[in-house]
Amino acid sequence: QKEVEQNSGPLSVPEGAIASLNCTYSDRGSQSFFWYRQYSGKSPELIMFIYSNGDKEDGRFTAQLNKASQYVSLLIRDSQPSDSATYLCAVIGSSASKIIFGSGTRLSIRP
Amino acid sequence: GAGVSQSPSNKVTEKGKDVELRCDPISGHTALYWYRQSLGQGLEFLIYFQGNSAPDKSGLPSDRFSAERTGGSVSTLTIQRTQQEDSAVYLCASSAYLLAGASDTQYFGPGTRLTVL
Repeated sequence: QKEVEQNSGPLSVPEGAIASLNCTYSDRGSQSFFWYRQYSGKSPELIMFIYSNGDKEDGRFTAQLNKASQYVSLLIRDSQPSDSATYLCAVIGSSASKIIFGSGTRLSIRP
Repeated sequence: GAGVSQSPSNKVTEKGKDVELRCDPISGHTALYWYRQSLGQGLEFLIYFQGNSAPDKSGLPSDRFSAERTGGSVSTLTIQRTQQEDSAVYLCASSAYLLAGASDTQYFGPGTRLTVL
């Protein structure tokens, strides 16, 4: 089992709809969770982080964390073509010595 | 500097040669991270530095890989006797403090694309 798992996609969502990206992790003691966006040929950029169970909202983005289910998700409301990218889930495990990335979900917003 | 910089941006080398990759973090950032990203894959964590110290080197793929950081600033990642499977984009990132538990942002450099022929 991979430490951080994501569906590779591609996930195709119509413009204006809600895109839902999911991530599961294996280390139950993990404390910190991040979502990065990576455009093709570019470096990742942090868009959200979450530490507590529940929802965290920032503009059109909402991160959801459920530690009991070891599940973290990212919702993008009112999806725009500029949201088309690969979204990487990242987790700092209980050892706190490294950050583990999932392989990413490729999101495509169709006009 | 304004952001994390890496050099060279591209490196083509022959199998068996040594390469050195450089990372200049954002000024004042105490934590520095190295990752590797193969084509179409996620990021593979290699090593992090807190100041000049790298507490955990277990993420380095083999003993051909080494990294150092001097003066709490510039870091170099050295790959000895390169192999074709070392071909990837090597990304460096820095943050003001070590990420664990801190609401801090990690800034990535543009990466070095390494091709081993």
